[in-house]
Amino acid sequence: RKEVEQDPGPFNVPEGATVAFNCTYSNSASQSFFWYRQDCRKEPKLLMSVYSSGNEDGRFTAQLNRASQYISLLIRDSKLSDSATYLCVVNPYLSGNTGKLIFGQGTTLQVKP
Amino acid sequence: DAGVTQSPTHLIKTRGQQVTLRCSPKSGHDTVSWYQQALGQGPQFIFQYYEEEERQRGNFPDRFSGHQFPNYSSELNVNALLLGDSALYLCASSLKQGNTGELFFGEGSRLTVL
Repeated sequence: RKEVEQDPGPFNVPEGATVAFNCTYSNSASQSFFWYRQDCRKEPKLLMSVYSSGNEDGRFTAQLNRASQYISLLIRDSKLSDSATYLCVVNPYLSGNTGKLIFGQGTTLQVKP
Repeated sequence: DAGVTQSPTHLIKTRGQQVTLRCSPKSGHDTVSWYQQALGQGPQFIFQYYEEEERQRGNFPDRFSGHQFPNYSSELNVNALLLGDSALYLCASSLKQGNTGELFFGEGSRLTVL
């Protein structure tokens, strides 16, 4: 079983749509969680951290369910520029040690006009 | 403020050869991690360097080795290349103390093994 599992997609949605990505992780002792975005043939970049209380950044909402070991990302009012691969990322260590992040396979989003 | 820089950006090698990839971390960062990203997959952790020592290692064979220099820059060496080593090699930098959990990645070195 993979440590972090995501549906690779692709998710093809029209502009303005709401789309949700899910991710599960296997290590219940994992400490912190993130969503990274990776554009085609580019490096991953941090999109947002994920907190137990849930957090929102503009059109993006991330949620964590520790009991179910489940992370989600919701994108509202999709833009063409949202087209990318979204990587679910888990840090199995206490904060202060970010070296070994565990990445999911990534979910590809294609927003169509 | 220079970000993470990697070289070379692309390279082609043949099986059995050796390769060295280089990375300069973001200004002010002291920790460098290396990741391998195969096509269609997420990045996989290779190892991390801090204070010129390997601190953590992922599930990669001894053919993969590294080094960190006093100026925090780093090298990744891969010996006896296999076809399966073809991938994007990403360097990521961070600050050991007081960090926010964010890694800053370079654009990567794309290695093709023929």
